[in-house]
Amino acid sequence: DVKVTQSSRYLVKRTGEKVFLECVQDMDHENMFWYRQDPGLGLRLIYFSYDVKMKEKGDIPEGYSVSREKKERFSLILESASTNQTSMYLCASRSTGAYYEQYFGPGTRLTVT
Amino acid sequence: SQQGEEDPQALSIQEGENATMNCSYKTSINNLQWYRQNSGRGLVHLILIRSNEREKHSGRLRVTLDTSKKSSSLLITASRAADTASYFCATVNAGNMLTFGGGTRLMVKP
Repeated sequence: DVKVTQSSRYLVKRTGEKVFLECVQDMDHENMFWYRQDPGLGLRLIYFSYDVKMKEKGDIPEGYSVSREKKERFSLILESASTNQTSMYLCASRSTGAYYEQYFGPGTRLTVT
Repeated sequence: SQQGEEDPQALSIQEGENATMNCSYKTSINNLQWYRQNSGRGLVHLILIRSNEREKHSGRLRVTLDTSKKSSSLLITASRAADTASYFCATVNAGNMLTFGGGTRLMVKP
């Protein structure tokens, strides 16, 4: 059974803290993605990676960074958390090519107080 | 940026009825995919339709694609309470990236 796992389902952090969200996939996918999901705004792409140590900005990269040191692991980093980063964060992975589906993790609901 | 726009944004029906959701998009696509999201969870892939296909079935799901109108519809027949979820369309363009729409929230009342 293919799987994308995220390190936490719920996380509460204080403003200014450095936050790490971890994502691991077991499908040997080249591509990994981080989205945030807010009511009324749908899924917005933060960053994606198409290979180890490679990263590309998505639609809303400001305030975030990422790290991909190993193929199976993709981390999202909030350098200095702010209240407007309170959101649901979804990680996904996918094989390269047009006709592949994307596999999502269960999500991390982050609250910044 | 969103490529697909779902319509309606919310839909409430009785168990046993059919549910139809629509998706419109702006640019040419390679394929279009539909996903489902249960409350507070990740998205799960339902079905993929290629740009040269007009209709596809999977169990109680029927997807149509009209590339001339840049639109797709998802029909769920004989709905069940367990179908209550949000449904998203996602378009795949020449760059092989998925772009998701805003979703339709479906509630099926028992």
